[in-house]
Amino acid sequence: EADIYQTPRYLVIGTGKKITLECSQTMGHDKMYWYQQDPGMELHLIHYSYGVNSTEKGDLSSESTVSRIRTEHFPLTLESARPSHTSQYLCASSPPTGAPGYTFGSGTRLTVV
Amino acid sequence: AQKITQTQPGMFVQEKEAVTLDCTYDTSDPSYGLFWYKQPSSGEMIFLIYQGSYDQQNATEGRYSLNFQKARKSANLVISASQLGDSAMYFCAMREGHTGGFKTIFGAGTRLFVKA
Repeated sequence: EADIYQTPRYLVIGTGKKITLECSQTMGHDKMYWYQQDPGMELHLIHYSYGVNSTEKGDLSSESTVSRIRTEHFPLTLESARPSHTSQYLCASSPPTGAPGYTFGSGTRLTVV
Repeated sequence: AQKITQTQPGMFVQEKEAVTLDCTYDTSDPSYGLFWYKQPSSGEMIFLIYQGSYDQQNATEGRYSLNFQKARKSANLVISASQLGDSAMYFCAMREGHTGGFKTIFGAGTRLFVKA
C-alpha cells in the first residue's frame, strides 16, 4: 500500500490550460521532491522542499511552481501547459533520519496536446 | 559537480543467473550516499539498496548486493538468481551528504531483460 499518493495517474490536457498535479504523503516526512522523467530516461529534479513554507528549484529549469503549506501536501502547478511539458512527473519524500532511500509515488503521466 | 554514469543502456540475463549492472560516479564531497532504484513498466520507483561512502562493507539486501569500489568510484549492482520479475529499468543515484534527504541525482538507467 502506497504511503505517497499522486493524482491524477494520467492526464491529457490542451495547450494553455492550467493544471495542478497533486502529491500527498502520510508518513510525516519533512522533505519532498518533484522529478520529471521522459519515458525510459533519467530523472531530473525540478523542485524540492525541506519543510513547510520551504521550496527550492531543482537542477532542471521548469516553468512549474510548487507550494508547501502543509507537511503532507506538495502540489505542482503549470500555469499554461505546453506540448513540451509532456512527460512523467514523479513525487518523492524522505524522512530526516532512518531509511535513506526515497519513497516515490506512482507518478502522473502528462500529455499536452 | 556530481555525476552518475550508467554505460549499459540494456542488458540481457538468463533466468536464475546473476547479473551486474554498472555505475560510476563523480563527486568532490567525501560524504555521500549511493542508491539503486528499480522502475518496472508500471512506472513507480522502488528503492533497492543503499551504500554510504564511509561504510566499510558492501551493502546487501536479499538478492541485491552493491559492489562498492571507492577508489574506482564505482557502485555496481549485483542481482543474484535473476527472476522474470526483475525485468525493469534500474537507476543508480547519488546524494551528497551522508544523512538527510538532500538532493539526489540519477543516472540514465539500464534496462534489464530476464529471459526464461
